Amino acid sequence: AAGVIQSPRHLIKEKRETATLKCYPIPRHDTVYWYQQGPGQDPQFLISFYEKMQSDKGSIPDRFSAQQFSDYHSELNMSSLELGDSALYFCASSLGPMGRGTYEQYFGPGTRLTVT
Amino acid sequence: AQSVAQPEDQVNVAEGNPLTVKCTYSVSGNPYLFWYVQYPNRGLQFLLKYITGDNLVKGSYGFEAEFNKSQTSFHLKKPSALVSDSALYFCAVRDMDNNDMRFGAGTRLTVKP
Repeated sequence: AAGVIQSPRHLIKEKRETATLKCYPIPRHDTVYWYQQGPGQDPQFLISFYEKMQSDKGSIPDRFSAQQFSDYHSELNMSSLELGDSALYFCASSLGPMGRGTYEQYFGPGTRLTVT
Repeated sequence: AQSVAQPEDQVNVAEGNPLTVKCTYSVSGNPYLFWYVQYPNRGLQFLLKYITGDNLVKGSYGFEAEFNKSQTSFHLKKPSALVSDSALYFCAVRDMDNNDMRFGAGTRLTVKP
């Protein structure tokens, strides 16, 4: 079965550069979630989208932005990168919110971002 | 590579009864174990974690989990379930040697009045 796809799997950037992470949800999934897991840290929820609209917002820095496109893939844009942004970024997808069916999240393998 | 399994897709309990959500794991090194809860259309919320020490870990909202090394399990428990506990629960494991983290597929808990 198709799974959540994240690209790239690894990314190295320098301070103050920008980065774009991509997430391709499981086919027919219309909800995407982004999580950040720093070294030695627990995963932190960043932001989620349902039907191309932001549905929930967590601890996402102002330097980051995200959007979901008409094909339901999502991109996390990160500007003015800092050393502390080095982390594993997980994307997850689900089929709709409560009331429309199941809403289990399926996680991608993550993108490891290293800021030097 | 580490992995985690949640053998039950769904768990149904009556309000006031004890609940258990099962999780087993596999790691090459020492495990670092987590439980997260997800309410509809929300991101994951941290419940509790185990690193070392007492095998019984207490977390948020009255939940606890028991680490069993011989059975490689980390089951989530609560003595008396509430209707508001109905949600999706994820178990996760991080291998302390390589720091990568893996999530289980999730278990839907339904607590009926």
